[in-house]
Amino acid sequence: ETGVTQSPTHLIKTRGQQVTLRCSSQSGHNTVSWYQQALGQGPQFIFQYYREEENGRGNFPPRFSGLQFPNYSSELNVNALELDDSALYLCASSLEWGRGGELFFGEGSRLTVL
Amino acid sequence: AQTVTQSQPEMSVQEAETVTLSCTYDTSENNYYLFWYKQPPSRQMILVIRQEAYKQQNATENRFSVNFQKAAKSFSLKISDSQLGDTAMYFCAFKPGSQGNLIFGKGTKLSVKP
Repeated sequence: ETGVTQSPTHLIKTRGQQVTLRCSSQSGHNTVSWYQQALGQGPQFIFQYYREEENGRGNFPPRFSGLQFPNYSSELNVNALELDDSALYLCASSLEWGRGGELFFGEGSRLTVL
Repeated sequence: AQTVTQSQPEMSVQEAETVTLSCTYDTSENNYYLFWYKQPPSRQMILVIRQEAYKQQNATENRFSVNFQKAAKSFSLKISDSQLGDTAMYFCAFKPGSQGNLIFGKGTKLSVKP
């Protein structure tokens, strides 16, 4: 059984550009969520998808958007990058998240915005 | 607003000794879940232990146990017989029963010294 995998692991962008981060959920998991972890901070919730529909969103502007595909893989898109978007982006998946089941995390994508 | 506070930014412990990491949270909900996650330098967040708020019995997982004080809104993690591999960032996290996201504290950096 493969775990949660994310790509790319590292990337560098310049201010104003757009970025797409990808995530493959753990096999069979129908819920995926994305978190932003700034240096020295705890992760902050961006949004969550359940069966291809967004069903929760944190305090992030609309330039942060996402998709979940029929195979439950997911993308995080960030438009008009700002310096403060530099962070580790974590993807997590779960099968029974609604009942407080375990959330499985990927290793993250480290984004640097110059 | 629901918040999670970890008051110890850094802690250290000698190998084989016991250490307790503190966590407090604030919520008006009665149904929720609490978690401790470990994030080693490899970055992947790993679940250490979870607690359901309606269960009075404290959760234990091998060398890891919690002291859950619901009235005080406190959820501390005790690590017994500390091992070098326990060196990591430890995050306390809260999941409201009514929402799908995790709310994380800022983390405690634990160093286990030989």
